[in-house]
Amino acid sequence: DTAVSQTPKYLVTQMGNDKSIKCEQNLGHDTMYWYKQDSKKFLKIMFSYNNKELIINETVPNRFSPKSPDKAHLNLHINSLELGDSAVYFCASSQQGNEQFFGPGTRLTVL
Amino acid sequence: EDQVTQSPEALRLQEGESSSLNCSYTVSGLRGLFWYRQDPGKGPEFLFTLYSAGEEKEKERLKATLTKKESFLHITAPKPEDSATYLCAVQAYTGGFKTIFGAGTRLFVKA
Repeated sequence: DTAVSQTPKYLVTQMGNDKSIKCEQNLGHDTMYWYKQDSKKFLKIMFSYNNKELIINETVPNRFSPKSPDKAHLNLHINSLELGDSAVYFCASSQQGNEQFFGPGTRLTVL
Repeated sequence: EDQVTQSPEALRLQEGESSSLNCSYTVSGLRGLFWYRQDPGKGPEFLFTLYSAGEEKEKERLKATLTKKESFLHITAPKPEDSATYLCAVQAYTGGFKTIFGAGTRLFVKA
């Protein structure tokens, strides 16, 4: 059973398009995260949700909008995609501040 | 400003050649320090959590230690399958659990 799953695994799209990435966890955790990993492999937190409530919102453009319909899901919608958005996006979950379990990542390529 | 610095950026070892990876940090209100392993094309995988200076954790050939300013990941008699990127992360509580990752150390172990 996959603990944290993301779809799609690969996403190739044109500049200016709108796209979404979905994340689901079946671990019963109360906290979920979105991270961006750039070409230098640096992993940077974007958002953190606890029990469907936005807790952490780092300096991320307004074009990025997370949505948590329930504790097990945290989706990421990106409007007006730009070249600089190309990266690998990871979803993760944890119980409170304990160790995080990461999904397999979504590689986004903006052309 | 909260910061995590890992060194070296890359480390090449012969099989059986023990070494250490360093993670130095500055953070307000450290709640915990985490070590993760990341294989190419995958999400980070949890290894250890350390909470207080002097604490040590071990798992197979890996041993993590923590002081007030840095953490070490010691690798004893590494094998080729230990080749991966090792990420250090510190966690602070600022109304929510905020995790800051270092850039990682890429470890290559040659048979």
